[in-house]
Amino acid sequence: QVQLVESGGGVVQPGRSLRLSCAASGFTFSSYGMHWVRQAPGKGLEWVAVIWYDGSNKYYADSVKGRFTISRDNSKNTLYLQMNSLRAEDTAVYYCARRPTYYDSSGYFVDAFDIWGQGTMVTVSS
Amino acid sequence: SSELTQDPAVSVALGQTVRITCQGDSLRSYYASWYQQKPGQAPVLVIYGKNNRPSGIPDRFSGSSSGNTASLTITGAQAEDEADYYCNSRDSSGNLVVFGGGTKLTVL
Repeated sequence: QVQLVESGGGVVQPGRSLRLSCAASGFTFSSYGMHWVRQAPGKGLEWVAVIWYDGSNKYYADSVKGRFTISRDNSKNTLYLQMNSLRAEDTAVYYCARRPTYYDSSGYFVDAFDIWGQGTMVTVSS
Repeated sequence: SSELTQDPAVSVALGQTVRITCQGDSLRSYYASWYQQKPGQAPVLVIYGKNNRPSGIPDRFSGSSSGNTASLTITGAQAEDEADYYCNSRDSSGNLVVFGGGTKLTVL
């Protein structure tokens, strides 16, 4: 079945690095833009980053720009998030999510997160 | 700060109709999508595009949009609909993605 499974979370000290992985299965991974979304404890969802289906474009939220790097290996059906210079405010559950895009019958652009992983917890603490 | 604005909390009596709204300038150009999240679980897509429901989402969930406001309507709310609901769309540049702050729905 269509599935995303995150891994790599854990407890890390401020200023250190961590790499998250997201293994995709059940669909043609190389055909979809992929995103990371996070949720701090008791808070709302926050979009983190996107990478296009072929890796040609990447965009980041201002809160992580310059510290986080999104990447993918389409031969391994895997999405990554390299997190450097971690801060306490990066503590969150990190989700990977698939976001298909298309134009509807009226010619309007449509996209949405249709598949989510179960999330992996990252705790930044000394 | 979020570019999409939602009411923090809404309540509805069991079996009644509730509307959850989401406001933002980018909604004039892009559709909103809506997600339901229950405690300890990943979000689930409930509405996308003009008014589309993924397979398995009950037809009591519907979406609409007017100007800079998107709405999620639950017609005949059930106890199991009690959850946090988030709207989501592109930002004004079209390159980034934004979420609303979320609405906590209580079914009385």
